[in-house]
Amino acid sequence: DVVMTQSPLSLAVTLGQSASISCTSSQSLVYSDGNTFLNWFQQRPGQSPRRLLYKVSNRDSGVPDRFSGTGSGTDFTLKISRVEAEDVGVYYCMQGTHWPWTFGQGTKLEIK
Amino acid sequence: QVQLQESGPGLVKPSETLSLTCTVSGGSVSSATYYWSWIRQPPGRGLEWIGYIYYGGRATSNPSLRSRVTISLDASKNQFSLKLTSVTAADTAVYYCGRMDVWGQGTTVTVSS
Repeated sequence: DVVMTQSPLSLAVTLGQSASISCTSSQSLVYSDGNTFLNWFQQRPGQSPRRLLYKVSNRDSGVPDRFSGTGSGTDFTLKISRVEAEDVGVYYCMQGTHWPWTFGQGTKLEIK
Repeated sequence: QVQLQESGPGLVKPSETLSLTCTVSGGSVSSATYYWSWIRQPPGRGLEWIGYIYYGGRATSNPSLRSRVTISLDASKNQFSLKLTSVTAADTAVYYCGRMDVWGQGTTVTVSS
């Protein structure tokens, strides 16, 4: 299975500041059609996961533009600009290139 | 707007079969565009992909669950289902159904005698 490794595993950020989460895959996530199926999910406390970004950098409907994704191959980053209280939760990267699709361990974001 | 709702027993005995159904509203499981999926989250832990099915295609399950998983789709009821056989305490988790961009609220399944 492709192992997704996130860092840091926890993050405390001051309101209004930025946060970055790194995700590294054990294999390239470039699919045979040229797409890179790397997604980012947010799970707020007590809620189900919500996809924020797909194919590295495409925001899902309703996701604020404070959330952005970059990366290629095996190295990816989620950046949250101007962190708000509603951003508290656990963030997961997830690869959909190789079956079984796999998630990272999660990064817990808290407000300092 | 598409909504999904999981249903099924919250308590299953060891060695028995866990059966869950996902009812889709505001959208159709007959759309071949989407992979209708099941994921789970053991208490205090991360997420694991169980498997998926798409209309007109066959189901695919995580090899880690070997042959214990069956995922099926009933277009007439706009539902898809999960069966997990020979459950153990390790299968205790919150189970979510979804299609990648939209997920149900999850249902807690506890395996215990």
